[in-house]
Amino acid sequence: KNEVEQSPQNLTAQEGEFITINCSYSVGISALHWLQQHPGGGIVSLFMLSSGKKKHGRLIATINIQEKHSSLHITASHPRDSAVYICAVEGGTDKLIFGTGTRLQVFP
Amino acid sequence: EPEVTQTPSHQVTQMGQEVILRCVPISNHLYFYWYRQILGQKVEFLVSFYNNEISEKSEIFDDQFSVERPDGSNFTLKIRSTKLEDSAMYFCASSEARVGQPQHFGDGTRLSIL
Repeated sequence: KNEVEQSPQNLTAQEGEFITINCSYSVGISALHWLQQHPGGGIVSLFMLSSGKKKHGRLIATINIQEKHSSLHITASHPRDSAVYICAVEGGTDKLIFGTGTRLQVFP
Repeated sequence: EPEVTQTPSHQVTQMGQEVILRCVPISNHLYFYWYRQILGQKVEFLVSFYNNEISEKSEIFDDQFSVERPDGSNFTLKIRSTKLEDSAMYFCASSEARVGQPQHFGDGTRLSIL
């Protein structure tokens, strides 16, 4: 069983739609990261959070430590948001444990 | 904004050959990482490095792999005798602290073993 599970695996949206990507984890964590992987492969860090909620532009990330669950929301989605969104957790050691990613496509 | 740079962007190597992947982490960062992503699979941790020594490594990081910080700026991953299954995208990352700080990723090196 994967320690980090994401849903959905694939997501298609029309421009302007509100998008939610979910992440559940089964290990104790010190922090959770949301990352964006571009079609070319590069990875960009979007959020790192250990409690509550963070917002950056149209992106919002929330985490519920008790339920071991996090969500990434994109408001007013745009075709340039098309990418793979990856949830990764820090289990108190150096390494990040990655989910399998959610592939998002936003159509005009 | 400072960034992690990786070279080359794409490396093609014959099976059995040695390969060195290079990374220049962000200058004030102290913690360095290598990850790999086999095509179509999730990103996997390989190794972390701090204070000129390995602090943690995964089962994947066997005797064929080594890391080095040969000078004050470069951080390298060497694969001694490459296998077909080493074909993957390799990402370098760096951070200011061991935990609780974002890791900044390079754009990756795509390694293709023939």
